Amino acid sequence: EVQLLESGGGLVQPGGSLRLSCTAAGFTFSSYAMNWVRQAPGKGLEWVSVINVSGDLTYYADSVKGRFTISRDNSKNTLDLQMNSLRVEDTAVYYCARKELGNRPFDYWGQGTLVTVSS
Amino acid sequence: EIVMTQSPATLSVSPGERVTLSCRASQSVSSNLAWYQQKPGQAPRLLIYGASTRAIGIPARFSGSGSGTEFTLTISSLQSEDFAVYYCQHCNKRPPGSFGQGTKVEIK
Repeated sequence: EVQLLESGGGLVQPGGSLRLSCTAAGFTFSSYAMNWVRQAPGKGLEWVSVINVSGDLTYYADSVKGRFTISRDNSKNTLDLQMNSLRVEDTAVYYCARKELGNRPFDYWGQGTLVTVSS
Repeated sequence: EIVMTQSPATLSVSPGERVTLSCRASQSVSSNLAWYQQKPGQAPRLLIYGASTRAIGIPARFSGSGSGTEFTLTISSLQSEDFAVYYCQHCNKRPPGSFGQGTKVEIK
């Protein structure tokens, strides 16, 4: 059974940093691109970042470019999101989601971890 | 950047009714379009990919159509468990997809 489990969320002050992790199980992690998607309270889904299977190609939404860094460790089946210079508008539930290679959808999602940026 | 626009924002329907949700892309995405269902407090669930292929375990009452810039998700006979928010997403490779703003299907 495919499982994705996010961790690391919490309360942080504006300008602070937080590191999210996503632990994968039940599939060959190194065969899938991985994404972070977020959802602000009461709002829709916003794609945040993607990393390719080998970890050497990444993309970011304009809203987080230069502040967030995505990375992966295929030996540990983990995906990370380092979030720096956090803003109030970064408050959201953060989901990790896997994606097959090519023009494919996000077929499995974790349950999400809540990040709250507030003073 | 490809912008996805969904309509309507909210749809009030009765159980058993046929429901049609629309999604428009700002430029052609071919058939690289997915639909997701999200219920309160839950993660999104993949319903449709490739514009018309149902994901594993999705009931046949869900169907998708369209290509290029215009897409439709149809629920042939709405069940109580189908009241949720539905999102479309383009699935182009680089970068992967932005989402539409969602359509909420609520009980009439």
